[in-house]
Amino acid sequence: DTAVSQTPKYLVTQMGNDKSIKCEQNLGHDTMYWYKQDSKKFLKIMFSYNNKELIINETVPNRFSPKSPDKAHLNLHINSLELGDSAVYFCASSQDDTDTQYFGPGTRLTVL
Amino acid sequence: LAKTTQPISMDSYEGQEVNITCSHNNIATNDYITWYQQFPSQGPRFIIQGYKTKVTNEVASLFIPADRKSSTLSLPRVSLSDTAVYYCLVGDHLTGGSYIPTFGRGTSLIVHP
Repeated sequence: DTAVSQTPKYLVTQMGNDKSIKCEQNLGHDTMYWYKQDSKKFLKIMFSYNNKELIINETVPNRFSPKSPDKAHLNLHINSLELGDSAVYFCASSQDDTDTQYFGPGTRLTVL
Repeated sequence: LAKTTQPISMDSYEGQEVNITCSHNNIATNDYITWYQQFPSQGPRFIIQGYKTKVTNEVASLFIPADRKSSTLSLPRVSLSDTAVYYCLVGDHLTGGSYIPTFGRGTSLIVHP
């Protein structure tokens, strides 16, 4: 059983397009996150949700919009994709915001 | 915001002990230090967490001095499969109660035969 899953694993798209990445966790956790990892492996938090409510929005362009339909899901929608959005995006979850985080396998986004 | 500094890379050989140090000079009084391991094409996974002194589990040990401004992850007798990127994590407790986890830039460990 996969604890934190993301789809798709790979996403290749053109500049200007809109795309979504889905995340689901079956751990019963209250907090979910989105991270961006660049080519130098720097892992930076983008958003944090606790019980479907936005807790953190870290200097992310408003082209990125997270949506949490329920506690087990946190999806990331990206409008008007730019070249600089190319990265690996990780979803994670934890019981509360200071607890151990469990990461998904990542989605490699390539913007051409 | 909390800031961590780690060596960018380290090399070791099978069977050796590896120590990776992370400095976190402005760690909050109530914050824990957590280390994660990441293999290529996978998400990071938890290794160990501590608040002060020494913590040991089946995978690693974590040494934290009294001033808590740094921590050292110790991997005993590494094998080729320990080749990975290792991140330390501290965070910021903001007014209003929210917490921002801050990962270091990671240390790429390569274990040679």
